[in-house]
Amino acid sequence: EPEVTQTPSHQVTQMGQEVILRCVPISNHLYFYWYRQILGQKVEFLVSFYNNEISEKSEIFDDQFSVERPDGSNFTLKIRSTKLEDSAMYFCASSDRENTEAFFGQGTRLTVV
Amino acid sequence: GDSVTQMEGPVTLSEEAFLTINCTYTATGYPSLFWYVQYPGEGLQLLLKATKADDKGSNKGFEATYRKETTSFHLEKGSVQVSDSAVYFCALIGNTGFQKLVFGTGTRLLVSP
Repeated sequence: EPEVTQTPSHQVTQMGQEVILRCVPISNHLYFYWYRQILGQKVEFLVSFYNNEISEKSEIFDDQFSVERPDGSNFTLKIRSTKLEDSAMYFCASSDRENTEAFFGQGTRLTVV
Repeated sequence: GDSVTQMEGPVTLSEEAFLTINCTYTATGYPSLFWYVQYPGEGLQLLLKATKADDKGSNKGFEATYRKETTSFHLEKGSVQVSDSAVYFCALIGNTGFQKLVFGTGTRLLVSP
């Protein structure tokens, strides 16, 4: 069964460093997303991406964040200068059409120290 | 804006007990509704969905009915197993033209033998 894959599964970084979280969405999907889940809290939307551009972003997704689809298969989330409060589980997701369920990867646990 | 409210957890049950996890929503128009499950150490998996009023989603013995009159989508299972222990998230996609999932806070289910 097709699945969304994320790498790495766990990343530890020092405050102020840049990190790139990587995702390979399901191959025929057109809509891509990043969500995050701070430990013990709800899953929060960060950004959606369609047709090579951001279609919606939340207030969390400030200038420190960026997304890119550098080739036909990868979808990345970059955090330019990490803060302690960026520590969370980051989930990539994809869907094949509008207003339908998204399929999630296993997540990348980001720990900022 | 759109929102989802779930009952507080944890919900603690014995094996073979009946499960109900309450979920209500606020949204304009006719959102699509979902239940996702997160097993320990894993990502989010779609459990079931319903896209219009009075639809019943079902999977793995779980079911939920889209009730527009009460804006609810309660999750039920007739006989839980230890392996059902997980965190359950109710979510919606609104029909305002954006694709993001809006999640509830999650309800942890603990099933003991």
